[in-house]
Amino acid sequence: AQTVTQSQPEMSVQEAETVTLSCTYDTSESDYYLFWYKQPPSRQMILVIRQEAYKQQNATENRFSVNFQKAAKSFSLKISDSQLGDAAMYFCAYRPRTASKLTFGTGTRLQVTL
Amino acid sequence: DAGVIQSPRHEVTEMGQEVTLRCKPISGHDYLFWYRQTMMRGLELLIYFNNNVPIDDSGMPEDRFSAKMPNASFSTLKIQPSEPRDSAVYFCASSSTGFGNQPQHFGDGTRLSIL
Repeated sequence: AQTVTQSQPEMSVQEAETVTLSCTYDTSESDYYLFWYKQPPSRQMILVIRQEAYKQQNATENRFSVNFQKAAKSFSLKISDSQLGDAAMYFCAYRPRTASKLTFGTGTRLQVTL
Repeated sequence: DAGVIQSPRHEVTEMGQEVTLRCKPISGHDYLFWYRQTMMRGLELLIYFNNNVPIDDSGMPEDRFSAKMPNASFSTLKIQPSEPRDSAVYFCASSSTGFGNQPQHFGDGTRLSIL
C-alpha cells in the first residue's frame, strides 16, 4: 500500500525567509505524480505545485519549488520569500500513473511570523 | 471560471437525522471525488465517480453512507442515520481525467457537526 509521510506537524518561518517542508512516500510504482496542496484557514484545498516522477527536473511555481529525490522517495517543498498569506496547512499527495486515487500525508501547519 | 461548488458550507444536525451534502463539479470534468477530513484520520477518499458511474466506493465507512451522481453536474453524499462520529469536513473534488498529472480541484468543503 502506498503511504505518504509528513514528519513535521508544525513549522514556523519569518516573513521573507525560506522554509522547506518535508514529505516522503512509499511505493513500488515507478511512474507516478506528486502534489502539494495548501489549505488556509478558509478551508479550501489549493494546488500549489505538481511533479511527474519521470521528470528529473524539479518543478517550480514562482516562490514555490520542490526537491524531488526519486531514489530516496522524497518530495520536499521550498517556499522562498515567505509571506503572511503562506500561513496554512500543507499537504503532500501521491498518485500512481494508472490510478485515480490520491493518497495524502497528514499535513504540516506552517506559521509565518513578522 | 466557477470552481467546484459544495453546499451547504456548514451543517449542524442531531444524531439520527438524515444529512445530504451536495456538489457541483467543474463543467467538463469527468471525475468526481468525495473526501472526508478529520483530525484523527486526515483526508480520506470515500468514493469516486467517472462519467457519473461509481468506480471505487471502498472508502465509504458503512452502509449509512451513500453517494449518487444522477448527471454530470451534480452529486450527493447522504448519511442516514447520522452519528456524532460522522462529524468532519467533507470535500468534493473534480478533475478532467482520472490519470496523468491533472490535479483534483476541490470545493470549499462542508463542515458537518452531528450533535
